[in-house]
Amino acid sequence: KNEVEQSPQNLTAQEGEFITINCSYSVGISALHWLQQHPGGGIVSLFMLSSGKKKHGRLIATINIQEKHSSLHITASHPRDSAVYICAAMNSGGSNYKLTFGKGTLLTVNP
Amino acid sequence: DAGVIQSPRHEVTEMGQEVTLRCKPISGHNSLFWYRQTMMRGLELLIYFNNNVPIDDSGMPEDRFSAKMPNASFSTLKIQPSEPRDSAVYFCASSRQRDRIQFFGPGTRLTVL
Repeated sequence: KNEVEQSPQNLTAQEGEFITINCSYSVGISALHWLQQHPGGGIVSLFMLSSGKKKHGRLIATINIQEKHSSLHITASHPRDSAVYICAAMNSGGSNYKLTFGKGTLLTVNP
Repeated sequence: DAGVIQSPRHEVTEMGQEVTLRCKPISGHNSLFWYRQTMMRGLELLIYFNNNVPIDDSGMPEDRFSAKMPNASFSTLKIQPSEPRDSAVYFCASSRQRDRIQFFGPGTRLTVL
């Protein structure tokens, strides 16, 4: 069983819809990352958070440490948001840079 | 800054051959990571270095894999001998120790026939 679980695996939305991607983890973490991987393969770090909420443009990431759960929200979605979104838990132990990844959520936003 | 640089971008080789993947981290970053991505297993950490020293290599699959970081601006991941199951995209990433946000290279797509 993967220590980081994402849902849904696939998500199709119409342009303008509000998107939510969920991430649950079972390990103790020092931080949680959200990454975006575009169809060309490049990976970009969107957020790193250890508590509360962060916002960047139309993207919002939240985390609930007690419930071991994080969400990534996209407001007013656009076809260019189509990508794979990956959450990754950063260990809280000695190897505290080690990331454990979810399997990713494939988001397709149709015009 | 040019970002994390990886070479080659694509590599096709035959089973049994030695493969060397190269990475140049962002200048000033003192942590470097090697990842492997496959359809079946997703992204997996293979090894990471802090200040050129390997810290955690528990993700290295077996003795056929080795990684070095001889200086702050260069790292290699070597597979010898390569096998078809090593076919994957290999990413290198770097970060500054104090903020831990990782910047990924474009990846090397390896195909072992």
